[in-house]
Formats: sequence, C-alpha cells, structure tokens
Amino acid sequence: AQRVTQPEKLLSVFKGAPVELKCNYSYSGSPELFWYVQYSRQRLQLLLRHISRESIKGFTADLNKGETSFHLKKPFAQEEDSAMYYCALATGNTPLVFGKGTRLSVIA
Amino acid sequence: GAVVSQHPSWVICKSGTSVKIECRSLDFQATTMFWYRQFPKQSLMLMATSNEGSKATYEQGVEKDKFLINHASLTLSTLTVTSAHPEDSSFYICSAPQGDEQFFGPGTRLTVL
Repeated sequence: AQRVTQPEKLLSVFKGAPVELKCNYSYSGSPELFWYVQYSRQRLQLLLRHISRESIKGFTADLNKGETSFHLKKPFAQEEDSAMYYCALATGNTPLVFGKGTRLSVIA
Repeated sequence: GAVVSQHPSWVICKSGTSVKIECRSLDFQATTMFWYRQFPKQSLMLMATSNEGSKATYEQGVEKDKFLINHASLTLSTLTVTSAHPEDSSFYICSAPQGDEQFFGPGTRLTVL
C-alpha cells in the first residue's frame, strides 16, 4: 500500500535560514508526488509537483527514487512561509495519499 | 486553474440533525470527486470517492449510512452528515481531479453542538 511519511510535526527556523521539510514515500510503481500548503484559514493549495520541476515561491523539491524521498527545500525562509505543508502521492487518477503534515514556523 | 467550491464554508448544528455539504467544480466537469475529513492538527483522511451516476466508494471504517454521498451531476457532489453528533465536528474537504491534478475546495467546518 502507498504511504507517505513526514517525520517532523513541527519545524521552526529563523528568518533567512534554510528550510528542508522531509517527505518519504512507499510505492512500488512510478509515483506522482506533490507538495501542498495550507496557510492559516485558507484553502489547501498546490505548491509544486515533481513532474513540473519548477520552483514556486522559492521552494524546490527533487524526487529521489533511490531514497524514495521528495524533500521540500528553500534556501532562505521568510515569515510568510509559515504554514502547514503536506506531501502527497498519487498514482494516476486516484485519491491522494497525504502525509501527516509539517507545520513550518518561521521566526523573525 | 480549475476551481472547486464548497458550500457552506461553516456550519453549526444541533446534535441529531443532518447537514448537507455541497462540492462544485466551477469550470470543469468531474465524473469523480473525493471527500476528505481533516481533524484538528491532523492530516487529511480520505472518506469516500464520489462517482457521477453510480454509488460512492467508501473507505474502510467510514459509515456509508451516516455520510451519504450523492454525485448528482458532472459538477456537483453532496455529502450529507446524518444524525450528526459532536464527534462528527471536523473540517470536510472535497477535491476533483482534472487531468492528473487535484483541485481542492476551501473546506467546510462543521461544528455539532
């Protein structure tokens, strides 16, 4: 069965420090991986996906099939990055399997 | 991008009453929609898959008689929480796929007194 693991419930960093939100997955096939972000009192929204290999709001994530990881990174954290971040896995047109989420708190 | 809406965004009801939540895909058709539940400070949990024109598929442990799902059209799915109790208080979120991407509604916060 597919599974997504986000080992950190809470991650606190100082403004300007690098950020890495960890995500590991288990799936025997070729996964589609996503990062979703939920700012306070706002809807869940897509941050980025591994297929597009783009950088959104300074965040990047590289799919490492050897380590079955899809860690989210940003070189310099900003206060507005404080939010809940969810890593999710999809296998075609099926429901997403979410990790438990990591709350990122950026301290000024 | 595509937009999914939910109505209402927030509802408070008395224990024992039923509450209907609507999920609409505004600018695309969705033969499938997904209903999630989000407990406070926890991740999303898939409840069921709503299929237009056929019965919904429920995840293990989700009571289908309590959480009634009707996919009335290609742009509308409804979730009815029947005989709601305080433990049903939660955040309910729907999503609809378009292509290989999922679009999420803003969620409905249900509070059962």
